[in-house]
Amino acid sequence: GAVVSQHPSWVICKSGTSVKIECRSLDFQATTMFWYRQFPKQSLMLMATSNEGSKATYEQGVEKDKFLINHASLTLSTLTVTSAHPEDSSFYICSASRTGERGNQPQHFGDGTRLSIL
Amino acid sequence: GQNIDQPTEMTATEGAIVQINCTYQTSGFNGLFWYQQHAGEAPTFLSYNVLDGLEEKGRFSSFLSRSKGYSYLLLKELQMKDSASYLCAVKDSNYQLIWGAGTKLIIKP
Repeated sequence: GAVVSQHPSWVICKSGTSVKIECRSLDFQATTMFWYRQFPKQSLMLMATSNEGSKATYEQGVEKDKFLINHASLTLSTLTVTSAHPEDSSFYICSASRTGERGNQPQHFGDGTRLSIL
Repeated sequence: GQNIDQPTEMTATEGAIVQINCTYQTSGFNGLFWYQQHAGEAPTFLSYNVLDGLEEKGRFSSFLSRSKGYSYLLLKELQMKDSASYLCAVKDSNYQLIWGAGTKLIIKP
């Protein structure tokens, strides 16, 4: 149980392109999903917390107009990197918990999306 | 500020035992998690501690001392596939997950 699917796994595109990444909880409902970014040999960096039916909460320094998050259902959240540039190249990972942020439920991660902007 | 410390890198021998330490200073405490992350992959959940003591799960055990702000992950009978980064994460008073930078574990034959 607790499977999180993330798509696509790899994206290579030209500078200026917008890229959408999907995160789905396959066997449970997730009122809260999380979006992380990870640069090589560095730790996970939380970008934003995605709440179903409401606006996402962005971490300090993360541009909300650059990284658009939509959480339209209890099983799907999307991250759109708008007008991507080479510095946006990174490993993007989503996660979800069965009961949201609280409790002893761990965050279960998708497989990640490796984004390369040329 | 909130801080989680773990060693950057450790090396151990196949078949041996290794202990990865984690110390934390957070605003409140609502549990500590250990995750394993292989290179180029997403993290996978290993263990959860919220009360003091040892939690055992097969070859992996995790210990917590809340008074000391300290946890460790113990890996026994090391296998080559255990080579990975091990991430310590703490839920603070707002139930936000604070992540350590991870410990890269290198297993040698």
